[in-house]
Amino acid sequence: AQSVAQPEDQVNVAEGNPLTVKCTYSVSGNPYLFWYVQYPNRGLQFLLKYITGDNLVKGSYGFEAEFNKSQTSFHLKKPSALVSDSALYFCAVTEPHASGGSYIPTFGRGTSLIVHP
Amino acid sequence: EPEVTQTPSHQVTQMGQEVILRCVPISNHLYFYWYRQILGQKVEFLVSFYNNEISEKSEIFDDQFSVERPDGSNFTLKIRSTKLEDSAMYFCASLRDSYNEQFFGPGTRLTVL
Repeated sequence: AQSVAQPEDQVNVAEGNPLTVKCTYSVSGNPYLFWYVQYPNRGLQFLLKYITGDNLVKGSYGFEAEFNKSQTSFHLKKPSALVSDSALYFCAVTEPHASGGSYIPTFGRGTSLIVHP
Repeated sequence: EPEVTQTPSHQVTQMGQEVILRCVPISNHLYFYWYRQILGQKVEFLVSFYNNEISEKSEIFDDQFSVERPDGSNFTLKIRSTKLEDSAMYFCASLRDSYNEQFFGPGTRLTVL
């Protein structure tokens, strides 16, 4: 069974500083990994994904994430945080079924990112 | 840019009443999902729908829940007899294929009194 862990309920960072939101996963095969962001009273918005290829993926709003197979991690990073980055961030993993027909991403519990001015 | 839409944005109902939450997924997507989120917490999977049938469902998705795609456009979630604990945000999502990301609707806030 696939699972995702986001070990931090909340991350606090000062504006202009680098930020990291952690995610580790567990799957039996090769993972497809995603980050989504949720602003208050909104749905989830896609940020970036890792499917295959380069371990460092770049996404929207200056975010990037690095796939580390040995550590089974997919941490979200940004070199310089903005106050407007304050939101809830969800990591998700899926693993295509061999029969091909059901893709059920498993979401982490979410990490609240608070960027202080 | 195509988007997933959901109606209503907010539904208030009495305990024991039936509610239908509506979603219009992106037109060329093949996989459809309903999720539930209580008070901005964990996003909980309810059900997935593919090829006009349920492909997976969670323990939450009991006999009180059902989904339909009646006209090839709308994707509905019905709760037959609502309970207080059904109060949550319900998100619809659609997916074209496994290599792509899910697109989420803005959600319906369900309040059961």
